[in-house]
Amino acid sequence: KQEVTQIPAALSVPEGENLVLNCSFTDSAIYNLQWFRQDPGKGLTSLLLIQSSQREQTSGRLNASLDKSSGRSTLYIAASQPGDSATYLCAVDRDDKIIFGKGTRLHILP
Amino acid sequence: NAGVTQTPKFQVLKTGQSMTLQCAQDMNHEYMSWYRQDPGMGLRLIHYSVGAGITDQGEVPNGYNVSRSTTEDFPLRLLSAAPSQTSVYFCASSLTAQGNGYTFGSGTRLTVV
Repeated sequence: KQEVTQIPAALSVPEGENLVLNCSFTDSAIYNLQWFRQDPGKGLTSLLLIQSSQREQTSGRLNASLDKSSGRSTLYIAASQPGDSATYLCAVDRDDKIIFGKGTRLHILP
Repeated sequence: NAGVTQTPKFQVLKTGQSMTLQCAQDMNHEYMSWYRQDPGMGLRLIHYSVGAGITDQGEVPNGYNVSRSTTEDFPLRLLSAAPSQTSVYFCASSLTAQGNGYTFGSGTRLTVV
């Protein structure tokens, strides 16, 4: 059974710092991995989608990497801003369903 | 494009009542699914559909019914609401079941009293 783990569960960093969020999964046979952002009381916004054949994807200050063989993905956020404060979720796609981690709650201190 | 539209945004039900949560997408996506999100439990799959006329159970299907008569719509029915079904419900869609990424609706916050 696929399990997705995100560490840490919560993180507070000063504005301007670069930071890394981690995601690990137990079964490497995935179609893709997707990172989402969720603001309090809101829905999920897709940030980056990495296909199983890819190693990384970039969008603005965000960079996500994927290492299928080790079952790991990282989301790198450069030059963090208070507006980056949110919960970040990773999800792996396999067998007609996506499995989510429980998220990392990020707080950027002004 | 509207994307994935969920209605209503908020709902309060009494125990034993029934209701339908609506989900519609205008992207011609084959795959649609329903999740519930609870504190400490994360997002859990309730039901999903890989195309019109095809549905299957996810991780937590009990107490919920679905049908998929059109590509655009995937309603979730609560047959007899229970307090344990108090949650935030999200609908998601994808072009196909594999590898295309998912688009989520804005959610329905349901309280059962």
